[in-house]
Amino acid sequence: DAMVIQNPRYQVTQFGKPVTLSCSQTLNHNVMYWYQQKSSQAPKLLFHYYDKDFNNEADTPDNFQSRRPNTSFCFLDIRSPGLGDAAMYLCATSRDLLGKVEAFFGQGTRLTVV
Amino acid sequence: ELKVEQNPLFLSMQEGKNYTIYCNYSTTSDRLYWYRQDPGKSLESLFVLLSNGAVKQEGRLMASLDTKARLSTLHITAAVHDLSATYFCAVDIPDTNAGKSTFGDGTTLTVKP
Repeated sequence: DAMVIQNPRYQVTQFGKPVTLSCSQTLNHNVMYWYQQKSSQAPKLLFHYYDKDFNNEADTPDNFQSRRPNTSFCFLDIRSPGLGDAAMYLCATSRDLLGKVEAFFGQGTRLTVV
Repeated sequence: ELKVEQNPLFLSMQEGKNYTIYCNYSTTSDRLYWYRQDPGKSLESLFVLLSNGAVKQEGRLMASLDTKARLSTLHITAAVHDLSATYFCAVDIPDTNAGKSTFGDGTTLTVKP
Protein backbone atom coordinates (compact mmCIF):
# COMPACT_ATOMS: atom_id res chain seq x y z
CA ASP A 1 0.00 0.00 0.00
CA ALA A 2 1.27 3.43 -0.92
CA MET A 3 2.38 5.34 2.16
CA VAL A 4 3.18 8.69 0.57
CA ILE A 5 0.66 9.67 -2.06
CA GLN A 6 1.01 12.57 -4.42
CA ASN A 7 -1.76 14.02 -6.53
CA PRO A 8 -2.01 14.50 -9.35
CA ARG A 9 0.65 12.36 -11.02
CA TYR A 10 0.72 14.69 -14.00
CA GLN A 11 -0.24 18.35 -14.01
CA VAL A 12 -0.34 20.74 -16.92
CA THR A 13 -0.70 24.40 -16.07
CA GLN A 14 -0.59 27.63 -17.98
CA PHE A 15 2.24 30.08 -17.64
CA GLY A 16 1.47 32.35 -14.70
CA LYS A 17 -1.57 30.40 -13.50
CA PRO A 18 -1.35 29.33 -9.85
CA VAL A 19 -1.13 25.60 -9.28
CA THR A 20 -1.23 23.41 -6.19
CA LEU A 21 0.30 19.98 -5.78
CA SER A 22 -0.71 17.76 -2.90
CA CYS A 23 0.93 15.11 -0.79
CA SER A 24 -0.56 12.88 1.87
CA GLN A 25 1.02 10.28 4.11
CA THR A 26 -0.23 7.41 6.21
CA LEU A 27 3.00 7.00 8.17
CA ASN A 28 2.28 9.65 10.80
CA HIS A 29 5.76 11.04 10.22
CA ASN A 30 6.70 14.38 11.71
CA VAL A 31 8.70 15.64 8.77
CA MET A 32 7.55 16.29 5.22
CA TYR A 33 9.82 17.50 2.43
CA TRP A 34 9.30 18.92 -1.02
CA TYR A 35 11.96 18.37 -3.66
CA GLN A 36 12.17 19.68 -7.21
CA GLN A 37 13.85 17.47 -9.78
CA LYS A 38 14.50 18.73 -13.26
CA SER A 39 15.28 16.41 -16.11
CA SER A 40 18.54 14.48 -15.65
CA GLN A 41 19.34 16.37 -12.45
CA ALA A 42 19.49 15.51 -8.79
CA PRO A 43 16.53 16.29 -6.53
CA LYS A 44 16.81 19.71 -4.95
CA LEU A 45 15.22 20.42 -1.58
CA LEU A 46 12.76 23.33 -1.65
CA PHE A 47 11.55 23.26 1.97
CA HIS A 48 10.48 21.00 4.76
CA TYR A 49 8.08 20.94 7.67
CA TYR A 50 8.89 19.57 11.07
CA ASP A 51 5.40 19.27 12.50
CA LYS A 52 4.02 22.76 11.86
CA ASP A 53 7.42 24.43 11.71
CA PHE A 54 8.22 25.53 8.17
CA ASN A 55 11.84 25.60 6.98
CA ASN A 56 12.58 27.24 3.67
CA GLU A 57 15.83 26.65 1.81
CA ALA A 58 17.72 29.87 1.22
CA ASP A 59 17.64 29.57 -2.56
CA THR A 60 14.00 28.54 -2.92
CA PRO A 61 12.23 31.21 -4.99
CA ASP A 62 9.40 33.18 -3.36
CA ASN A 63 7.15 31.82 -6.08
CA PHE A 64 7.06 28.54 -4.16
CA GLN A 65 4.99 28.28 -1.01
CA SER A 66 3.83 25.42 1.12
CA ARG A 67 1.05 24.61 3.57
CA ARG A 68 0.68 21.80 6.04
CA PRO A 69 -2.82 21.91 7.54
CA ASN A 70 -2.34 18.69 9.51
CA THR A 71 0.13 15.84 9.99
CA SER A 72 -1.11 13.90 7.00
CA PHE A 73 -1.23 16.53 4.29
CA CYS A 74 1.21 18.95 2.74
CA PHE A 75 0.70 21.20 -0.27
CA LEU A 76 3.07 22.88 -2.67
CA ASP A 77 1.74 26.10 -4.16
CA ILE A 78 3.39 27.69 -7.16
CA ARG A 79 1.99 31.18 -7.38
CA SER A 80 3.02 32.09 -10.92
CA PRO A 81 4.57 29.14 -12.71
CA GLY A 82 7.19 29.90 -15.29
CA LEU A 83 8.56 27.64 -17.99
CA GLY A 84 11.58 27.02 -15.80
CA ASP A 85 9.39 25.47 -13.12
CA ALA A 86 8.56 22.47 -15.26
CA ALA A 87 9.92 19.53 -13.32
CA MET A 88 9.10 16.49 -11.26
CA TYR A 89 8.06 17.46 -7.75
CA LEU A 90 8.76 14.87 -5.10
CA CYS A 91 7.24 14.74 -1.64
CA ALA A 92 9.00 12.75 1.05
CA THR A 93 8.50 12.04 4.74
CA SER A 94 10.69 10.95 7.59
CA ARG A 95 9.95 10.06 11.17
CA ASP A 96 11.86 12.97 12.65
CA LEU A 97 14.95 15.03 12.03
CA LEU A 98 17.63 13.96 14.47
CA GLY A 99 16.61 10.33 14.43
CA LYS A 100 15.99 10.22 10.72
CA VAL A 101 16.74 6.81 9.29
CA GLU A 102 15.37 7.12 5.82
CA ALA A 103 13.01 9.17 3.75
CA PHE A 104 9.97 7.73 2.04
CA PHE A 105 9.17 9.27 -1.31
CA GLY A 106 5.87 9.63 -3.07
CA GLN A 107 5.47 8.80 -6.73
CA GLY A 108 6.00 12.39 -7.76
CA THR A 109 4.00 14.92 -9.75
CA ARG A 110 5.31 15.85 -13.15
CA LEU A 111 4.49 19.47 -13.84
CA THR A 112 4.33 20.84 -17.36
CA VAL A 113 4.00 24.59 -17.94
CA VAL A 114 2.55 25.71 -21.26
CA GLU B 1 28.37 23.88 2.02
CA LEU B 2 28.10 20.15 1.62
CA LYS B 3 29.06 18.84 -1.81
CA VAL B 4 28.33 15.31 -2.97
CA GLU B 5 30.06 13.93 -6.03
CA GLN B 6 29.30 10.69 -7.77
CA ASN B 7 31.32 8.96 -10.41
CA PRO B 8 30.91 7.84 -12.97
CA LEU B 9 27.85 9.78 -14.09
CA PHE B 10 27.15 7.33 -16.87
CA LEU B 11 27.98 3.66 -16.84
CA SER B 12 27.35 1.13 -19.55
CA MET B 13 28.18 -2.42 -18.67
CA GLN B 14 27.54 -5.90 -19.90
CA GLU B 15 25.45 -8.43 -18.10
CA GLY B 16 27.48 -10.57 -15.77
CA LYS B 17 30.15 -7.96 -15.11
CA ASN B 18 31.03 -6.25 -11.84
CA TYR B 19 31.45 -2.56 -11.25
CA THR B 20 31.59 0.04 -8.48
CA ILE B 21 29.97 3.46 -8.24
CA TYR B 22 31.66 5.99 -5.98
CA CYS B 23 30.16 8.73 -3.84
CA ASN B 24 32.44 11.34 -2.26
CA TYR B 25 31.25 14.07 0.04
CA SER B 26 32.94 17.16 1.40
CA THR B 27 31.82 17.52 5.02
CA THR B 28 31.78 15.12 7.93
CA SER B 29 28.55 13.17 8.01
CA ASP B 30 27.61 9.70 9.17
CA ARG B 31 24.32 9.37 7.35
CA LEU B 32 24.37 8.30 3.75
CA TYR B 33 21.62 6.91 1.57
CA TRP B 34 21.47 5.19 -1.77
CA TYR B 35 18.39 5.50 -3.96
CA ARG B 36 17.34 4.03 -7.24
CA GLN B 37 15.27 5.92 -9.79
CA ASP B 38 13.72 4.41 -12.90
CA PRO B 39 12.94 6.76 -15.81
CA GLY B 40 9.93 8.93 -15.05
CA LYS B 41 9.51 7.41 -11.62
CA SER B 42 10.19 8.46 -8.07
CA LEU B 43 13.04 7.48 -5.77
CA GLU B 44 13.24 4.07 -4.18
CA SER B 45 15.33 3.69 -1.04
CA LEU B 46 18.03 1.03 -1.40
CA PHE B 47 20.39 1.42 1.54
CA VAL B 48 20.75 3.48 4.68
CA LEU B 49 24.31 3.68 6.05
CA LEU B 50 24.63 5.21 9.49
CA SER B 51 28.12 4.46 10.76
CA ASN B 52 31.72 4.16 9.70
CA GLY B 53 32.37 0.77 8.21
CA ALA B 54 28.69 0.04 7.59
CA VAL B 55 28.13 -2.50 4.84
CA LYS B 56 24.75 -3.55 3.51
CA GLN B 57 23.84 -5.97 0.79
CA GLU B 58 20.67 -6.63 -1.15
CA GLY B 59 20.79 -9.05 -4.02
CA ARG B 60 23.48 -7.99 -6.48
CA LEU B 61 24.07 -4.63 -4.81
CA MET B 62 26.34 -3.93 -1.87
CA ALA B 63 26.93 -0.53 -0.29
CA SER B 64 29.61 0.55 2.13
CA LEU B 65 30.53 3.70 4.02
CA ASP B 66 33.92 5.04 5.10
CA THR B 67 33.23 8.20 7.05
CA LYS B 68 36.91 8.99 7.53
CA ALA B 69 37.51 9.00 3.79
CA ARG B 70 34.07 10.58 3.23
CA LEU B 71 33.40 7.89 0.67
CA SER B 72 30.65 5.43 -0.05
CA THR B 73 30.65 2.76 -2.70
CA LEU B 74 27.86 0.89 -4.42
CA HIS B 75 29.16 -2.35 -5.83
CA ILE B 76 27.31 -4.23 -8.52
CA THR B 77 27.96 -7.93 -8.84
CA ALA B 78 27.11 -9.89 -12.00
CA ALA B 79 24.92 -7.15 -13.42
CA VAL B 80 21.56 -7.96 -14.98
CA HIS B 81 19.38 -5.84 -17.24
CA ASP B 82 16.89 -5.15 -14.44
CA LEU B 83 19.51 -3.10 -12.65
CA SER B 84 19.42 -0.46 -15.38
CA ALA B 85 18.39 2.77 -13.63
CA THR B 86 19.82 5.96 -12.17
CA TYR B 87 21.41 5.58 -8.75
CA PHE B 88 21.70 8.52 -6.38
CA CYS B 89 23.65 8.82 -3.19
CA ALA B 90 22.49 11.38 -0.66
CA VAL B 91 24.22 12.67 2.44
CA ASP B 92 22.56 14.30 5.41
CA ILE B 93 23.73 17.81 6.11
CA PRO B 94 25.53 17.75 9.45
CA ASP B 95 23.30 20.16 11.34
CA THR B 96 21.74 19.31 14.68
CA ASN B 97 18.40 20.66 13.54
CA ALA B 98 18.33 19.26 10.05
CA GLY B 99 17.32 15.96 8.54
CA LYS B 100 17.99 17.31 5.09
CA SER B 101 19.87 15.42 2.40
CA THR B 102 22.11 16.69 -0.35
CA PHE B 103 22.03 14.48 -3.42
CA GLY B 104 24.79 13.58 -5.81
CA ASP B 105 24.17 14.08 -9.52
CA GLY B 106 23.31 10.43 -10.03
CA THR B 107 24.87 7.58 -11.97
CA THR B 108 22.87 6.34 -14.93
CA LEU B 109 23.53 2.65 -15.33
CA THR B 110 22.75 0.77 -18.51
CA VAL B 111 23.23 -2.99 -18.48
CA LYS B 112 23.48 -4.53 -21.92
CA PRO B 113 23.01 -8.18 -22.86
